[in-house]
Amino acid sequence: AQTVTQSQPEMSVQEAETVTLSCTYDTSESNYYLFWYKQPPSRQMILVIRQEAYKQQNATENRFSVNFQKAAKSFSLKISDSQLGDTAMYFCAFIQVIQGAQKLVFGQGTRLTINP
Amino acid sequence: SAVISQKPSRDICQRGTSLTIQCQVDSQVTMMFWYRQQPGQSLTLIATANQGSEATYESGFVIDKFPISRPNLTFSTLTVSNMSPEDSSIYLCSVEIHGYEQYFGPGTRLTVT
Repeated sequence: AQTVTQSQPEMSVQEAETVTLSCTYDTSESNYYLFWYKQPPSRQMILVIRQEAYKQQNATENRFSVNFQKAAKSFSLKISDSQLGDTAMYFCAFIQVIQGAQKLVFGQGTRLTINP
Repeated sequence: SAVISQKPSRDICQRGTSLTIQCQVDSQVTMMFWYRQQPGQSLTLIATANQGSEATYESGFVIDKFPISRPNLTFSTLTVSNMSPEDSSIYLCSVEIHGYEQYFGPGTRLTVT
């Protein structure tokens, strides 16, 4: 079964610092998709960034970037110039597609606090 | 992306009763999903709801407990039946827009007393 592991339950950094959240996953598939979602206290799940496994180039969205290491099955999220609004739970997620059916599998989350 | 709304946003219910949660999206989508997020936990997929077919349930979730309707391409409901305190969770719907990206509704916080 596919699993997603986030080894950092909580992290805390100062505003404007750079922070990296770790994620590893386990799959026997060769083509898949990885995502980072953010869940602020409002509980709204927000898609932050996505990465297709067949792409070697790491995805970037403004201050958010990933380090995708396919061989190591690692998918970390880097937040540059962190802001107070980045305070949230961050979930790494992996999508498996089997016979047209898709299932998004989430890690346990990392609670990130940005301090002023 | 898409604008997704859920009703109710929260509710407090007595054990043994049922609650129906509505999910509305502002565009037509093929695939809709229902998730449960227990307190302090991650999200777990309950079922996939495609219009025109029966919902597909994940292991550990059954139709009698979580019946789902999908009458059209913009709307779905999830019912939590015969509730117990263990059903206290946030329930979220999501839709796939393109390329396996899922966008989520704001969630329904359910407390069962």
